[in-house]
Amino acid sequence: SQKIEQNSEALNIQEGKTATLTCNYTNYSPAYLQWYRQDPGRGPVFLLLIRENEKEKRKERLKVTFDTTLKQSLFHITASQPADSATYLCALNQAGTALIFGKGTTLSVSS
Amino acid sequence: NAGVTQTPKFQVLKTGQSMTLQCAQDMNHNSMYWYRQDPGMGLRLIYYSASEGTTDKGEVPNGYNVSRLNKREFSLRLESAAPSQTSVYFCASSEGVGQTRSYTFGSGTRLTVV
Repeated sequence: SQKIEQNSEALNIQEGKTATLTCNYTNYSPAYLQWYRQDPGRGPVFLLLIRENEKEKRKERLKVTFDTTLKQSLFHITASQPADSATYLCALNQAGTALIFGKGTTLSVSS
Repeated sequence: NAGVTQTPKFQVLKTGQSMTLQCAQDMNHNSMYWYRQDPGMGLRLIYYSASEGTTDKGEVPNGYNVSRLNKREFSLRLESAAPSQTSVYFCASSEGVGQTRSYTFGSGTRLTVV
């Protein structure tokens, strides 16, 4: 069956460190993969998109990698801040289909 | 720039009651979606509309109906609410299904069925 797994339900790190979140998938051939941020009581907000033929994408302190051989995406936040505390969702789709989401990883950054 | 607007924000229903969740977007997007989010289950797709006049089932469509009223509006109806439908419901829109474009989400409707 098709699965998207975000390996940790929760990740706790200290301010200033790099947070690394993992997204693995099975039985998909995604055209692209996206990462969203969700704050409590709010809807998800788009952060980054990476296509199947791209290895890495950056935006300010955020970096996403996409390895279609390993069927894995890594999401990095460098120099993390308490304001980065939120739930991060991985999502992917195959050509012509709607986005399917992972269950999310809740990141807590302590000062 | 409102984006995606959902109404109501909160609702309590009794088992067996019906209601319609409303969603409207002002970004001229072609595709719209309904997801539900439950603790430990993540976001699950209920129905989507690739374009005006079309609707398709997602992962968990049972107990729901949808209407794509026009390009802007996509409603979700619960005909006979059940406690298992207690959840947070999110509407989203995008330029097109399967296109490399991000989704814009509304702020959600928190529904409790007692």
